[in-house]
Amino acid sequence: NAGVTQTPKFQVLKTGQSMTLQCAQDMNHNSMYWYRQDPGMGLRLIYYSASEGTTDKGEVPNGYNVSRLNKREFSLRLESAAPSQTSVYFCASSELEVVNEQYFGPGTRLTVT
Amino acid sequence: QQPVQSPQAVILREGEDAVINCSSSKALYSVHWYRQKHGEAPVFLMILLKGGEQKGHDKISASFNEKKQQSSLYLTASQLSYSGTYFCGTEIRNAGNMLTFGGGTRLMVKP
Repeated sequence: NAGVTQTPKFQVLKTGQSMTLQCAQDMNHNSMYWYRQDPGMGLRLIYYSASEGTTDKGEVPNGYNVSRLNKREFSLRLESAAPSQTSVYFCASSELEVVNEQYFGPGTRLTVT
Repeated sequence: QQPVQSPQAVILREGEDAVINCSSSKALYSVHWYRQKHGEAPVFLMILLKGGEQKGHDKISASFNEKKQQSSLYLTASQLSYSGTYFCGTEIRNAGNMLTFGGGTRLMVKP
């Protein structure tokens, strides 16, 4: 099992450019999450998907959109990148039925200049 | 609202003990603990549920005081591998494991 995979690992964008961060999990989990982590800080939830076909806003959704393409894949899109979106982005997944641990991907380090 | 962790940082010698605290202003359904090493993804340690149930690591212990809305993580006989940043994540209701994370406690264990 690869667990949770994310692409790309690193990305540099110019202000105003767009991009999509990809996330996939092979653990047959229902729930998937996107977090951002700024230097020296904790994780903040951007969006989550409790199950295939549903998505909901988290703590910091502005400037982002998501797509739950199928049970395995959950993508995060930045339509017009801003320097304030420079961060490390983590995708995670978990079982839904009971309170359960989240499994995190390796992260995408994004710099917006 | 983000839970508050204390201390922000702690330095230990191998074999020493540490306690990391997590405090919330809201009533909690569950508290989750994760450890993150520099440049890596967070890794699950433990879940504490309202009502006393626990799931997780058998070498790390934790407590959850529902009335005080606080949780503590106990690291005993620390090893070099315990170094990293510890985060608590809190859930105010049973709603798909939606967590709000604290700012983290940086732990360094020295030989």
